[in-house]
Amino acid sequence: SAVISQKPSRDICQRGTSLTIQCQVDSQVTMMFWYRQQPGQSLTLIATANQGSEATYESGFVIDKFPISRPNLTFSTLTVSNMSPEDSSIYLCSVENTQGHTEAFFGQGTRLTVV
Amino acid sequence: DAKTTQPTSMDCAEGRAANLPCNHSTISGNEYVYWYRQIHSQGPQYIIHGLKNNETNEMASLIITEDRKSSTLILPHATLRDTAVYYCIGKPIYGQNFVFGPGTRLSVLP
Repeated sequence: SAVISQKPSRDICQRGTSLTIQCQVDSQVTMMFWYRQQPGQSLTLIATANQGSEATYESGFVIDKFPISRPNLTFSTLTVSNMSPEDSSIYLCSVENTQGHTEAFFGQGTRLTVV
Repeated sequence: DAKTTQPTSMDCAEGRAANLPCNHSTISGNEYVYWYRQIHSQGPQYIIHGLKNNETNEMASLIITEDRKSSTLILPHATLRDTAVYYCIGKPIYGQNFVFGPGTRLSVLP
């Protein structure tokens, strides 16, 4: 299985600021995804991070609010821009199709609190 | 992705088998049944997946009905550490992303 490291694991941020979350995988992966999990809720897909091209966003999520980078096959970043308290959530990085596995693997998440 | 339906919550006594049901009556022929769990404050953890045959690994067993309209995840000897939210997801083995529903909150009681 893939080992996924997310940084930071948690942060408390002031409204109006931005936070960049990093996701590092220990092997090259085809697919990388970013999810959001609001308090008490299930996971919701934000976007697919595409290597060498713009991310593909799900309905309700836009690039200006959640810019994503994927410079290579092992690394991606998600930025939460101009934060408000409603952005307080756990943000999770996920990878698929790695080392012959078809299941998805998840990082431990970044717990963001906006005050 | 196939829509799945799971009970909101279940309890299980420690040491007993936990049987978690999932209905997926609209599942397509190319969609597998995947199970994940999420222990509090952690990322989701893959458990098992299958197409139509029963599957077993070191964590659990997956029993899929012959018509593939439902399945059961079995934790043979539940421990307190198995307390988590369990998600059943129908998805083709390639393509599409995992869509998480509300899942089943399993509480293993001492």
